Amino acid sequence: DSGVTQTPKHLITATGQRVTLRCSPRSGDLSVYWYQQSLDQGLQFLIQYYNGEERAKGNILERFSAQQFPDLHSELNLSSLELGDSALYFCASSVAWATNEKLFFGSGTQLSVL
Amino acid sequence: DAKTTQPNSMESNEEEPVHLPCNHSTISGTDYIHWYRQLPSQGPEYVIHGLTSNVNNRMASLAIAEDRKSSTLILHRATLRDAAVYYCILRDDYGGSQGNLIFGKGTKLSVKP
Repeated sequence: DSGVTQTPKHLITATGQRVTLRCSPRSGDLSVYWYQQSLDQGLQFLIQYYNGEERAKGNILERFSAQQFPDLHSELNLSSLELGDSALYFCASSVAWATNEKLFFGSGTQLSVL
Repeated sequence: DAKTTQPNSMESNEEEPVHLPCNHSTISGTDYIHWYRQLPSQGPEYVIHGLTSNVNNRMASLAIAEDRKSSTLILHRATLRDAAVYYCILRDDYGGSQGNLIFGKGTKLSVKP
């Protein structure tokens, strides 16, 4: 158990809809990361938050947004969903963002867009 | 961002050592070498990381070449549970990645009983 909690584990929705994925980091971790994993693209870095502020952006679509709340949990919002958004979404956390730190990953949310 | 090159797949026998290679010829002096693995249907899991010296932990050993242009992840006795995709990643503070973990395709390790 990594200590990172993601909910829900599975989500099935239709095209055009909006969903929210939730992540609770490990106790004491201030950084939260979101990754998307699909069969054709592999693991893609989406976005990072540190202590409530956006720190880095990766390949995140404009239809996607995220935020980190004062209690440090994070939510990833996906809107106007398309079939291609079907993927596993992972959240990870670390203490800060130094390059010698470990990331701890959750078990993911499997999103199916029908 | 500095890139890594790994074999697409490797096979090992159970209870034998496994050496997973990684080339990173464009590594810079401040890049940390990280290894993560992903078991089937699970999130990535940290394995080990290092900068210049060889590193050991309970999961594996990391051997870093003197010129740092390559490294090897060593699993001392492979078990069936070690079957996973292994990712070798360079973390740096400059460039587009801003220090984040950027995953490549990794090496898929199969372990035969």
